[in-house]
Amino acid sequence: GQNIDQPTEMTATEGAIVQINCTYQTSGFNGLFWYQQHAGEAPTFLSYNVLDGLEEKGRFSSFLSRSKGYSYLLLKELQMKDSASYLCAVRDGGNYGQNFVFGPGTRLSVLP
Amino acid sequence: DSGVTQTPKHLITATGQRVTLRCSPRSGDLSVYWYQQSLDQGLQFLIQYYNGEERAKGNILERFSAQQFPDLHSELNLSSLELGDSALYFCASSPDSGGSYNEQFFGPGTRLTVL
Repeated sequence: GQNIDQPTEMTATEGAIVQINCTYQTSGFNGLFWYQQHAGEAPTFLSYNVLDGLEEKGRFSSFLSRSKGYSYLLLKELQMKDSASYLCAVRDGGNYGQNFVFGPGTRLSVLP
Repeated sequence: DSGVTQTPKHLITATGQRVTLRCSPRSGDLSVYWYQQSLDQGLQFLIQYYNGEERAKGNILERFSAQQFPDLHSELNLSSLELGDSALYFCASSPDSGGSYNEQFFGPGTRLTVL
């Protein structure tokens, strides 16, 4: 079956660093995505990993270990506007079509 | 603004009815994806179209159908509506069909309420 797990909620302080973990068990794998979603709004793309290792993009970094079925999103220098849900998603598919499986999302609250 | 438009923004209807949700992708994007997001289920991938052709199918019910027209806009048809179909429905687009391009751009969503 397809299963993606993330913590339901996390809390951190402004200026701090937070790591959001994601574990997955899917029938296929063609990349792992992280999205940010503010309440009532559309998801916005944050990062993509298909090979093992760390991808850095400004204050956000994402790590992937395919052998462990594990990824994390690292947010540095937290700001109040980072309070949102963070969705982990696995893509299963090739060049013909893409099937996505999303995790339940982690709601992050950034406190002053 | 992602460049993806969806209409209507809100839709309220009764059980047993049928509704059509519309999506226009970003200019130049050939792929359209439909998603359902409810409080208890999270974001669920429904279906993908590429240049008018169905390319991938997720957790889409038989009561739901979609199509993509020659001008690349897409419609999601939901019939025999049930209370549990109340959700946010998102459309997203990307330039191609497969793995060479990674980012999807999401529209603002249509909030469907079934009473």
